[in-house]
Amino acid sequence: DAGITQSPRHKVTETGTPVTLRCHQTENHRYMYWYRQDPGHGLRLIHYSYGVKDTDKGEVSDGYSVSRSKTEDFLLTLESATSSQTSVYFCAIRVGLAGGTNEQFFGPGTRLTVL
Amino acid sequence: SQQGEEDPQALSIQEGENATMNCSYKTSINNLQWYRQNSGRGLVHLILIRSNEREKHSGRLRVTLDTSKKSSSLLITASRAADTASYFCATDAGNTDKLIFGTGTRLQVFP
Repeated sequence: DAGITQSPRHKVTETGTPVTLRCHQTENHRYMYWYRQDPGHGLRLIHYSYGVKDTDKGEVSDGYSVSRSKTEDFLLTLESATSSQTSVYFCAIRVGLAGGTNEQFFGPGTRLTVL
Repeated sequence: SQQGEEDPQALSIQEGENATMNCSYKTSINNLQWYRQNSGRGLVHLILIRSNEREKHSGRLRVTLDTSKKSSSLLITASRAADTASYFCATDAGNTDKLIFGTGTRLQVFP
């Protein structure tokens, strides 16, 4: 099984502060994803990475940036957190690449509250 | 915009009954997937069906795909209390690098 961890698991911060969430995988998967989950919206893609230093935007990328300096880590940064970014954030890795599919394996999530 | 929309939004059944949830999508796809999410946890992949397949089985799960109607259904047979979760469909909208998730069906199975 793919190993994937997220840190922190819970965070409360104030409006205007920077926040960085970390996703770490223990296997050598090329693709990594950041989603946010909000009631009534399901999961929405924020950014994804298809290799070291290779990233692209998703559906709701405004206000977020990402970095991937090594294969195992994918960082999501909120430069100046706003209350609308209160959400549960999930990281995922693509485990179906060899089979030509986008089957994904998800981390446990980070609950972020912006006051 | 949401690619997939699940129906119903919520479903309550008794143990032993079958649960059927549906997913509709908007654009052509390479494949469609179903995921389960237990409360407070990440999503777990259940099953994938390719666009050239019409039906697929995995244990108590049966998935159908009708590309002409742009719809899929997930059937859970002989449901158990442990099946209580939210279920999401996800499609690639023709771009296999990204998935688009629906808003989910919340299933409650009563003992």
